[in-house]
Amino acid sequence: ETGVTQTPRHLVMGMTNKKSLKCEQHLGHNAMYWYKQSAKKPLELMFVYSLEERVENNSVPSRFSPECPNSSHLFLHLHTLQPEDSALYLCASSLDRGLYEQYFGPGTRLTVT
Amino acid sequence: LAKTTQPISMDSYEGQEVNITCSHNNIATNDYITWYQQFPSQGPRFIIQGYKTKVTNEVASLFIPADRKSSTLSLPRVSLSDTAVYYCLVGGNTGGFKTIFGAGTRLFVKA
Repeated sequence: ETGVTQTPRHLVMGMTNKKSLKCEQHLGHNAMYWYKQSAKKPLELMFVYSLEERVENNSVPSRFSPECPNSSHLFLHLHTLQPEDSALYLCASSLDRGLYEQYFGPGTRLTVT
Repeated sequence: LAKTTQPISMDSYEGQEVNITCSHNNIATNDYITWYQQFPSQGPRFIIQGYKTKVTNEVASLFIPADRKSSTLSLPRVSLSDTAVYYCLVGGNTGGFKTIFGAGTRLFVKA
């Protein structure tokens, strides 16, 4: 049990759909992250939030929209995705940005049809 | 931003000690070295972190030579359940820590 939960675990959506991924941490951490992991590719850091403020956006297309309403919750809103967006989306949290250990959730396996 | 280089894959047998080396020739003074483990369809899990010399915890040891241009993760007496991908990351607090995962090393432990 890592203390970071993600829902849903699996999601299939069409290119015209709108869906959201949810991440929740009960570890009292101040930093939260979204990563994308495509098949046979390294993890890609997408967004970083620190104390509910987005502090990093690594050139992610606007069809991915993050939201951090409080330090325990992180959302990734998805709209008009492409098939190449199919991947495992991982959420992580850490005590703060920097060298602190990141705790990852189990991920959401997303398939765009 | 220091780039890391690791072997793509390694094979081992149960009970053996496994050493995975990571090269980071451009490591900065403030950079630390961190290793994560990832099983299929799961998020990575922190293993160990160090700055210099040797660090040991209940699951692994991390050896860092004086020039810090490389590091070696040592897994004692591996078991089948240690089959996973192991990532080496290098970064520091100065200017914001960048979490850049490379391709990692796929370790296969055989019976």
